[in-house]
Amino acid sequence: ETGVTQTPRHLVMGMTNKKSLKCEQHLGHNAMYWYKQSAKKPLELMFVYSLEERVENNSVPSRFSPECPNSSHLFLHLHTLQPEDSALYLCASSQEFAGDSTDTQYFGPGTRLTVL
Amino acid sequence: AQTVTQSQPEMSVQEAETVTLSCTYDTSENNYYLFWYKQPPSRQMILVIRQEAYKQQNATENRFSVNFQKAAKSFSLKISDSQLGDTAMYFCAFMKRSSGTYKYIFGTGTRLKVLA
Repeated sequence: ETGVTQTPRHLVMGMTNKKSLKCEQHLGHNAMYWYKQSAKKPLELMFVYSLEERVENNSVPSRFSPECPNSSHLFLHLHTLQPEDSALYLCASSQEFAGDSTDTQYFGPGTRLTVL
Repeated sequence: AQTVTQSQPEMSVQEAETVTLSCTYDTSENNYYLFWYKQPPSRQMILVIRQEAYKQQNATENRFSVNFQKAAKSFSLKISDSQLGDTAMYFCAFMKRSSGTYKYIFGTGTRLKVLA
């Protein structure tokens, strides 16, 4: 397994609940990502944090709120979700270098989210 | 906008045979990175192979190799001597990071089944 862990692995929540997804990377990377993986759709990049600053937010609804307290941890706070938000949420990390190079991303196992 | 197309939703191959997965993409960028990722059933997504667009030489990684045709915007993956453990979803990805913007685009995936 890679050095990226995610908890919980499965989550069922109602539309009025508030929950959080957690991601931790043990690879010493300086960038972390949240992706949404829905059936028969491409992975969608949701958020990017580089050096603990959010640098990308791809028009994600405000009911998803990311937090990156340090370079090893990333959270996704969820509130008042909709059934169409049910998906596999993947966390990834990478090492960013100066300039425009792009390094390999290492993925976590994902959290399978079901919104009732 | 960048797009990545994987036109083969499912494929199968006999063990020890060779199989090629196709991927085409559309971009106006000149420098970028292309990846093939593998997602085995219920397991984490892992990197298979990576190609820098400025390199003309096709990347190889043991039994995995790519045919990168930059002008045609094609990036196919060849798996030689297929093994049962190669059974997985395979995702082609285009990645470009510049000036703080992240264009990380995945295809819809090809489900590969290796038959004994």
